[in-house]
Amino acid sequence: DAAVTQKPRYLIKMKGQEAEMKCIPEKGHTAVFWYQQKQSKELKFLIYFQNQQPLDQIDMVKERFSAVCPSSSLCSLGIRTCEAEDSALYLCSSSHGQANTEVFFGKGTRLTVV
Amino acid sequence: AQKVTQTQTSISVMEKTTVTMDCVYETQDSSYFLFWYKQTASGEIVFLIRQDSYKKENATVGHYSLNFQKPKSSIGLIITATQIEDSAVYFCAMRHVNTGNYKYVFGAGTRLKVIA
Repeated sequence: DAAVTQKPRYLIKMKGQEAEMKCIPEKGHTAVFWYQQKQSKELKFLIYFQNQQPLDQIDMVKERFSAVCPSSSLCSLGIRTCEAEDSALYLCSSSHGQANTEVFFGKGTRLTVV
Repeated sequence: AQKVTQTQTSISVMEKTTVTMDCVYETQDSSYFLFWYKQTASGEIVFLIRQDSYKKENATVGHYSLNFQKPKSSIGLIITATQIEDSAVYFCAMRHVNTGNYKYVFGAGTRLKVIA
C-alpha cells in the first residue's frame, strides 16, 4: 500500500512561534505537493516540488513559509511566524512524475495556533 | 487558466441508491487527466478513479464510474448502490501534461451523506 508519512499529526503553537512539519513521500515518487485545508473544506494548494526542486508555489508560501525537500525521502514545511489564520490541516502528497498518475496523501498535520 | 468547479456543496441520498456528483473544468490543454478523490471523516484522502482525456470510454472501478463529456468539459462521478460508508467529501481534480508543471488543480469538494 502507498504510504506518505506526515509528522507530527498534531501541532499546537502560540502566535508568533515557528512551526515545522515533515513529510516522507512514497518511495520512488518524485513529485511532492503541500495543501492547506480549513474545516474540511477545499484543498488550498501551497507548493509543488518536482525532483526536490520547487516548481510552483503561492505568494503566501514565498512570504511566510519555508518549504524544502532536502532529499527524495524527506520534505518539510515551516511557518516562520504563526498566525491564528494558519490553523488548519496541512496535507502532504506525492506521486510519480508522470501526469497520468494519481497522488497519494498523508494523514496530515493538524496545526492549531493559540 | 486551469480551474475545476464542483457546484454541489452537499448531497444527501438514501442507502442503496445511485448518486451523481458534478464536476466541470477549464483548460487550454489538449491532453489532461481527471481524478476523483474521497476524504473520509478521519481526514484521510484516497484516490478513487481516473479518466484520461484522450479516452472516449468512461472509466469504471468497482461501484464508481465516470460520466466523461469532453465537449462540455464535464466529468461526473457516479456511485451506484451507495453504502453508509460512502459518506464523505469527494474532490474532483485535474492534472495537465503539456505545461511540464504537473500540479493538480482540485475542486472545492462535494459532501455526500448516505442515509439508512
